[in-house]
Amino acid sequence: GAVVSQHPSWVICKSGTSVKIECRSLDFQATTMFWYRQFPKQSLMLMATSNEGSKATYEQGVEKDKFLINHASLTLSTLTVTSAHPEDSSFYICSANSGPTDTQYFGPGTRLTVL
Amino acid sequence: RKEVEQDPGPFNVPEGATVAFNCTYSNSASQSFFWYRQDCRKEPKLLMSVYSSGNEDGRFTAQLNRASQYISLLIRDSKLSDSATYLCVVNRGDSWGKLQFGAGTQVVVTP
Repeated sequence: GAVVSQHPSWVICKSGTSVKIECRSLDFQATTMFWYRQFPKQSLMLMATSNEGSKATYEQGVEKDKFLINHASLTLSTLTVTSAHPEDSSFYICSANSGPTDTQYFGPGTRLTVL
Repeated sequence: RKEVEQDPGPFNVPEGATVAFNCTYSNSASQSFFWYRQDCRKEPKLLMSVYSSGNEDGRFTAQLNRASQYISLLIRDSKLSDSATYLCVVNRGDSWGKLQFGAGTQVVVTP
């Protein structure tokens, strides 16, 4: 149980385009989903926290207008990277939990390359 | 100063040997502690939670020292499949689910 999927698993796009990444909890209802970014040889950095039906909470330094998060249902959250630039190339990972707990279930990640 | 610091390694370990490594954390408000493993280009997977009294899961033993704010992981009888990057993770203490990750310690088990 507790499976989280992400789509796409990898994407290559041109600079200036927008990319949408989906995160789904397949067998549980995710009250909270988290979006992380990981650059090579660095730690995962929390970008934002999203709760179903409410606005996402962004971490300091993360531009909310650039990284649009929608959590429309208890099983789906999306991250849209708008006007992507090469410096946005990274590994984006979502996670989900189903209550007031630190236990999180991670998606397999999306590798974004912006040319 | 990083909030969670780890020796990046790599720790080169002969198969069957024991390896141990630590991480330190700076946030005294942290209440939950974990070790995750991350394989190359994959998502992190929970290895074990770390409890104040120390805990063991098979060949893996974790210890927590709150006074000195460090966490350790020991792997006994290393297997080739233990080769991975081990991430030290603590919660931020301000709300559920907000985790801080170390950059990881790489372990390479050799035949």
